[in-house]
Amino acid sequence: NAGVTQTPKFRVLKTGQSMTLLCAQDMNHEYMYWYRQDPGMGLRLIHYSVGEGTTAKGEVPDGYNVSRLKKQNFLLGLESAAPSQTSVYFCASSITSVQETQYFGPGTRLLVL
Amino acid sequence: SQQGEEDPQALSIQEGENATMNCSYKTSINNLQWYRQNSGRGLVHLILIRSNEREKHSGRLRVTLDTSKKSSSLLITASRAADTASYFCLYSGGSNYKLTFGKGTLLTVNP
Repeated sequence: NAGVTQTPKFRVLKTGQSMTLLCAQDMNHEYMYWYRQDPGMGLRLIHYSVGEGTTAKGEVPDGYNVSRLKKQNFLLGLESAAPSQTSVYFCASSITSVQETQYFGPGTRLLVL
Repeated sequence: SQQGEEDPQALSIQEGENATMNCSYKTSINNLQWYRQNSGRGLVHLILIRSNEREKHSGRLRVTLDTSKKSSSLLITASRAADTASYFCLYSGGSNYKLTFGKGTLLTVNP
């Protein structure tokens, strides 16, 4: 089992460019999450999904969109990147509930110039 | 901000000593979890304690939960250099099970 994987590992964007971050899990988990981690801020929830075809907003959803077309994949999109979106992005998954153990990917470091 | 508060923000100890980190939160919770993050890596789950539990152990880890004070503590006994990492609490609570991470404690264990 690979667990939770994230693609790419690192990316540099120019302001206004778009990109998609891919998260994949092979544990058949229902719930998936996208977080961002900024220095001194801990992790903040961007969006999450409770199952294939469903998504919901977290604490900081503005500027991001998500899709969960397949159970094993959760995509995070930035339509028009801004320097404030420079961060480390983590994907996670859990079996059936937000109250359960989350399994994290290795992270994607994004720099927006 | 609704983020939980952890203290201390940073803790430096010698190998063999115990390390205690605290997490305070503002809302009622369903459960509280502790995670470890080694520098630049993803988070790893350590332990989960439910709102009706007061103490839980896992190896060298001991977690307590005081819902009346809205706080939890993580104790690592007989620390090792490999315990050097950031430690975060994560709690879910409220009618919509909102997820909130604490800001983390950076633990440095010196050999």
